[in-house]
Amino acid sequence: KQEVTQIPAALSVPEGENLVLNCSFTDSAIYNLQWFRQDPGKGLTSLLLIQSSQREQTSGRLNASLDKSSGRSTLYIAASQPGDSATYLCAPEVGAGSYQLTFGKGTKLSVIP
Amino acid sequence: EPEVTQTPSHQVTQMGQEVILRCVPISNHLYFYWYRQILGQKVEFLVSFYNNEISEKSEIFDDQFSVERPDGSNFTLKIRSTKLEDSAMYFCASAKGPNTEAFFGQGTRLTVV
Repeated sequence: KQEVTQIPAALSVPEGENLVLNCSFTDSAIYNLQWFRQDPGKGLTSLLLIQSSQREQTSGRLNASLDKSSGRSTLYIAASQPGDSATYLCAPEVGAGSYQLTFGKGTKLSVIP
Repeated sequence: EPEVTQTPSHQVTQMGQEVILRCVPISNHLYFYWYRQILGQKVEFLVSFYNNEISEKSEIFDDQFSVERPDGSNFTLKIRSTKLEDSAMYFCASAKGPNTEAFFGQGTRLTVV
């Protein structure tokens, strides 16, 4: 059964800093991995999708990397802004004929103005 | 930009009552999902639906749960006899195909009293 761990659980940084969020997963046989953000009491907003054949994916100030063999993904946020404050969730798609996403508990990010 | 729409945003129901949660997926998407998130916990997969039938379901999705696509646009989750532990945020998601980006709705907060 796929298990997803996200470190750190919470992170507080001053505005303008670059930061890295980590995600690890136990079963490397995944189809892809998605990163989401969740604002309090709200839905999930898709940020990036990395296919299992890719190493990196970029969208604006966000860059996600995937090392499938070691079961790791990182989300890099450049020049953080207060509007980036949210919980960030990592979700590999299980693979082996299953298309469900397995979620970690997330990293709660606070960007201080 | 196309989005997944869920109604209602919040529903309060008495234990033992039936509830129907409604979703309008993105129009050209073919894969549909329900997930739930109990307060303070991880987002959990419930069920996936493709070609008018369930393609996968989790252990949570027992006989009390059912899904339906009654017409070309709606996708519903029915809980036959609600329990207190069904209180959670329920998210609908859709995707164009397998291994593609999943888009989530804003969720329905279900409170069972």
